[in-house]
Amino acid sequence: QKEVEQDPGPLSVPEGAIVSLNCTYSNSAFQYFMWYRQYSRKGPELLMYTYSSGNKEDGRFTAQVDKSSKYISLFIRDSQPSDSATYLCAMSRITGGGNKLTFGTGTQLKVEL
Amino acid sequence: GAVVSQHPSRVICKSGTSVKIECRSLDFQATTMFWYRQFPKQSLMLMATSNEGSKATYEQGVEKDKFLINHASLTLSTLTVTSAHPEDSSFYICSASRAGSEQYFGPGTRLTVT
Repeated sequence: QKEVEQDPGPLSVPEGAIVSLNCTYSNSAFQYFMWYRQYSRKGPELLMYTYSSGNKEDGRFTAQVDKSSKYISLFIRDSQPSDSATYLCAMSRITGGGNKLTFGTGTQLKVEL
Repeated sequence: GAVVSQHPSRVICKSGTSVKIECRSLDFQATTMFWYRQFPKQSLMLMATSNEGSKATYEQGVEKDKFLINHASLTLSTLTVTSAHPEDSSFYICSASRAGSEQYFGPGTRLTVT
């Protein structure tokens, strides 16, 4: 069993839809959770960084963490064609950028006009 | 802030030759840099972790003599793929971090070995 599971998609939604992306994990040692967006042939871009269970909002993006269920989500409101990309969840055991990240496989999202 | 660059963005080389990829943190000092490779439609696989001034730590299954990593300064790390073969063709991505911070990724380098 992989430490981090993520549905690879592809996920196709109409413009303006609310998108829900999810990851589950098996290792309770993970304490820090991130969502990255990766456009084709580009490096990942950090979208959200969370620690506590609960919600964190940044513009159209909301990250949700449920440590008791080992489940994290990223919600995108009012989705735009420019949101079309692969979304990767990542997590680490302790804080500090010097610690290894464990990535999900990524979910490919397409927002259609 | 937190911009990471990579050079070159794309490189084609012949089998048996060596290729060097540079990773630079442009506006911060990176205490740790990471090197990943990514195959099409797959996630990032960590190859090695390097701290400035010390030897890199390689992940299991990654040949340290084939993938040479140098982290000579707080803003520069290099990955050299030695005696490259077609199976080394991949997308190589570096990331950099400062103490107590998350990782910031470079734009990636696409290596094609013919």
